[in-house]
Amino acid sequence: LAKTTQPISMDSYEGQEVNITCSHNNIATNDYITWYQQFPSQGPRFIIQGYKTKVTNEVASLFIPADRKSSTLSLPRVSLSDTAVYYCLVGDMKGGFQKLVFGTGTRLLVSP
Amino acid sequence: EPEVTQTPSHQVTQMGQEVILRCVPISNHLYFYWYRQILGQKVEFLVSFYNNEISEKSEIFDDQFSVERPDGSNFTLKIRSTKLEDSAMYFCASKDSFYEQYFGPGTRLTVT
Repeated sequence: LAKTTQPISMDSYEGQEVNITCSHNNIATNDYITWYQQFPSQGPRFIIQGYKTKVTNEVASLFIPADRKSSTLSLPRVSLSDTAVYYCLVGDMKGGFQKLVFGTGTRLLVSP
Repeated sequence: EPEVTQTPSHQVTQMGQEVILRCVPISNHLYFYWYRQILGQKVEFLVSFYNNEISEKSEIFDDQFSVERPDGSNFTLKIRSTKLEDSAMYFCASKDSFYEQYFGPGTRLTVT
């Protein structure tokens, strides 16, 4: 599983766009990039997954450059309730048994 | 939306006692997992379970731990003789053939 590096923490204000970048220099050909969100005292929650270029869903966008050595999670117009820890995970997620290997994540604090 | 449930939400036990943590995965899911998170630390993989057997386990998952799917709906984690260092949040997760793992709300285990 490829190691990931992401900022320990980020601060933002309500209504702003937040971009969290994750570095994964050793990503393998079969690896996907997945982001999870975790609120205090809750289980992680899947946000988005991608392989290359751009993926968008109702809560976020994921930008992956051509070399796939990094990725950026974009949260549009954050609110106070987006305060959470965001984890970038890289691995061959198509495998049925695939375990998730979490790093320390990025602690996002959204202020009024 | 279907969800993973876990009981109890909080379990207090004395060192050396046995505890069973219970999970009800999403009904049509095939893959089941236990993770734990010591306060302030990373989410750590413990074990994955498929087709009524363990498919992978971590170094943490030693002989004191066992898992079972006794009745086709519940998925349990047993710790035979708890230690102080077993105090943590324990998360159950399940998935179908796709990549997204759905996590339960967790059981906070406190060993005194």
